[in-house]
Amino acid sequence: DSGVTQTPKHLITATGQRVTLRCSPRSGDLSVYWYQQSLDQGLQFLIQYYNGEERAKGNILERFSAQQFPDLHSELNLSSLELGDSALYFCASSPYSQAYEQYFGPGTRLTVT
Amino acid sequence: GQQLNQSPQSMFIQEGEDVSMNCTSSSIFNTWLWYKQDPGEGPVLLIALYKAGELTSNGRLTAQFGITRKDSFLNISASIPSDVGIYFCAGSSGNTGKLIFGQGTTLQVKP
Repeated sequence: DSGVTQTPKHLITATGQRVTLRCSPRSGDLSVYWYQQSLDQGLQFLIQYYNGEERAKGNILERFSAQQFPDLHSELNLSSLELGDSALYFCASSPYSQAYEQYFGPGTRLTVT
Repeated sequence: GQQLNQSPQSMFIQEGEDVSMNCTSSSIFNTWLWYKQDPGEGPVLLIALYKAGELTSNGRLTAQFGITRKDSFLNISASIPSDVGIYFCAGSSGNTGKLIFGQGTTLQVKP
């Protein structure tokens, strides 16, 4: 158990809908990262938040947004969902803003039908 | 953009054999991490490397940060059935925590 929690574990929704994925980092970690894992693209970095502020952005679609709250938990919002958004979404956390050991949560499996 | 090439793509070995896999980058990294992922689970951190030339062990696992800072290697000695899974390298440069991941090496161990 990494100490990172994610909810829900599974999510099935229809195209065009909007969903919210939630992540709680390890106790004491200030950075939260979101990654997408699909069969054809592998593990792709989406976005990093550090202590409530956006720190780095990867190949995140405009339809996707994230935020980190004062209690340091984070939410990833996915809107106008398409079939191609079906993937595993992982949250990871670390103590610092720079590259360091990142600990991954169990993931949310999103299926868009 | 930055790319990581991880090889081999898959390995099928006999229990007790040693395993080697590597990653090469098109650019310099400051950090190399190695993860193992079981199906449907999140990646689990195995080893972290922060310095060129660094050699670090974690039980039967040994990883090295290449001196060119563009590559890293992971060795598993005396493989056992529970070593089965997908191994990923990941690297980072710059002053953020953004990780670039390799495509993964799928390891299968025959008892």
